[in-house]
Amino acid sequence: GAGVSQSPSNKVTEKGKDVELRCDPISGHTALYWYRQSLGQGLEFLIYFQGNSAPDKSGLPSDRFSAERTGGSVSTLTIQRTQQEDSAVYLCASSPLIGSGTQYFGPGTRLLVL
Amino acid sequence: QKEVEQDPGPLSVPEGAIVSLNCTYSNSAFQYFMWYRQYSRKGPELLMYTYSSGNKEDGRFTAQVDKSSKYISLFIRDSQPSDSATYLCAMSEPGAQKLVFGQGTRLTINP
Repeated sequence: GAGVSQSPSNKVTEKGKDVELRCDPISGHTALYWYRQSLGQGLEFLIYFQGNSAPDKSGLPSDRFSAERTGGSVSTLTIQRTQQEDSAVYLCASSPLIGSGTQYFGPGTRLLVL
Repeated sequence: QKEVEQDPGPLSVPEGAIVSLNCTYSNSAFQYFMWYRQYSRKGPELLMYTYSSGNKEDGRFTAQVDKSSKYISLFIRDSQPSDSATYLCAMSEPGAQKLVFGQGTRLTINP
């Protein structure tokens, strides 16, 4: 079956513009995660969705970052008024089980803010 | 101090060598331990998954967890050029939803 897909694969934007990144999880997976990977760094947790529960937003770095998940499937991560330090690879993962650790990652969206 | 420490390398070894990759951590509540492999411009791929202490073997890969020392390892036997990638350790607490990752070790296997 299809894995986690993300779009766009690459995004170049100007400082101050808003961007939207999309994630399509594996069908049937109830949990969805967003991570950020900066150059030479490990993955940094951003936000987590599980079913209809309130999302865990504890990793979002500022109020410029927000995410939503519509219909328990597709998710969009929005960054408003982008800054150069937002440049990174944004990775989405989905999981069939809560707390199992078996997260399946998409290929990521490479964001460059000029 | 980061919760999970991992030497970023780079690490370069000849084909056929045994590779040892390691992470240390500070949070004694971690119970789930994982190793992910990430090829260039790809997402991380789950390699090994271990609960609590002990060893787990899968083909040429062996994962070890020593909770008393807060130290985990991944061994790759008979390394191949196709094993060249960045290896990330990750761990989580029971019931927690987020994974805490190490920085990743960039590994190159030379033919």
